[in-house]
Amino acid sequence: DTGVSQNPRHKITKRGQNVTFRCDPISEHNRLYWYRQTLGQGPEFLTYFQNEAQLEKSRLLSDRFSAERPKGSFSTLEIQRTEQGDSAMYLCASSLGTGGRNQPQHFGDGTRLSIL
Amino acid sequence: KQEVTQIPAALSVPEGENLVLNCSFTDSAIYNLQWFRQDPGKGLTSLLLIQSSQREQTSGRLNASLDKSSGRSTLYIAASQPGDSATYLCAPLYAGNTGKLIFGQGTTLQVKP
Repeated sequence: DTGVSQNPRHKITKRGQNVTFRCDPISEHNRLYWYRQTLGQGPEFLTYFQNEAQLEKSRLLSDRFSAERPKGSFSTLEIQRTEQGDSAMYLCASSLGTGGRNQPQHFGDGTRLSIL
Repeated sequence: KQEVTQIPAALSVPEGENLVLNCSFTDSAIYNLQWFRQDPGKGLTSLLLIQSSQREQTSGRLNASLDKSSGRSTLYIAASQPGDSATYLCAPLYAGNTGKLIFGQGTTLQVKP
């Protein structure tokens, strides 16, 4: 079990630029989640995939944000035209969903985004 | 509204003390509740998951209890150690949410040697 892997660990960019983050979930996990966490707060849900299907998106996810999970494996989160308020830690989690029973979500170490 | 409250926000104790962290949630209709630990600048480490049908779960020095009817969960840490210093977060999976966890702000614990 290699855990959830996120890249890059840190991203510094100028306001207005586009950024893309990658998440590699635990290999057998069919569910993948993105959260955002700002300093001193708990994580906030952004979006959720079951296999390659994006099943839920938060209202926090403006049209500048897009997430994909091609082939139901790794996922990417892209932010276009970044703004100061996008500065945060972006966390990815994965879990194994079987029927009605929910297994624990396992998190990666996150990508910290800083907008200059 | 689905909310989670954790009390206290911060806690400082001497090494060796037993301590209790509290988590309150607004709706008793949950599938499960997960406790996490977060070290500074890191992601979340899953500690315990309690299914809605369970009353408690134990892992080593950690014991988590769940009282759905009152909307409360507690995390008990026995014989605290400096290595336990971290932020502890609870997150219920509310019924109707396919996977979205709702987090509190966490309790930041400092265990002094």
